[in-house]
Amino acid sequence: NAGVTQTPKFRILKIGQSMTLQCTQDMNHNYMYWYRQDPGMGLKLIYYSVGAGITDKGEVPNGYNVSRSTTEDFPLRLELAAPSQTSVYFCASSSIRDSYSNQPQHFGDGTRLSIL
Amino acid sequence: AQSVTQLGSHVSVSEGALVLLRCNYSSSVPPYLFWYVQYPNQGLQLLLKYTSAATLVKGINGFEAEFKKSETSFHLTKPSAHMSDAAEYFCAVRRDMGRRALTFGSGTRLQVQP
Repeated sequence: NAGVTQTPKFRILKIGQSMTLQCTQDMNHNYMYWYRQDPGMGLKLIYYSVGAGITDKGEVPNGYNVSRSTTEDFPLRLELAAPSQTSVYFCASSSIRDSYSNQPQHFGDGTRLSIL
Repeated sequence: AQSVTQLGSHVSVSEGALVLLRCNYSSSVPPYLFWYVQYPNQGLQLLLKYTSAATLVKGINGFEAEFKKSETSFHLTKPSAHMSDAAEYFCAVRRDMGRRALTFGSGTRLQVQP
């Protein structure tokens, strides 16, 4: 009963370093998303994917890259970390089955990332 | 583009008092609306979702929300607050059918005083 699993939970990076935030879901969901949450703000969409091999930009994609080689995994890559990328990152997934319904998204517990 | 506005970044109530968290949406068509709760250091959990079947939606933990088209509102209520309700609450709307991503309000932090 894992749902959406994110690793690591916490990370501190130096400016200019790179890292990959991992996200895995075991619900066979086609849709996956990456959001960032800044203090006092709602979540902003970074990238999303509608299925393996298909990704697209969200509202705030600059400085990030994603890939979707399998249905289960949707890693988020930071190539050159900047202080502005200090945030809490959430991965989410949802089902394709209910095309016309309000199928909710399932969220991971987040990765808290600090860039110093 | 669809969006949501949450009025009040912080709400404080006494234990046992009514909880009212406000959310207004901007949409020209009936939207897909959600309320999520976030406890400290955790991800978001779905409280309830709006379906066109009923304007009054009941969720988990005694919460409910009423969809009012005339007021473009989807306020969250709970008759009697409990200490365990202290958390951050987000109203969200599905932005478009294609990507199915959610647009979130800025959140309301609920404090419950003993």
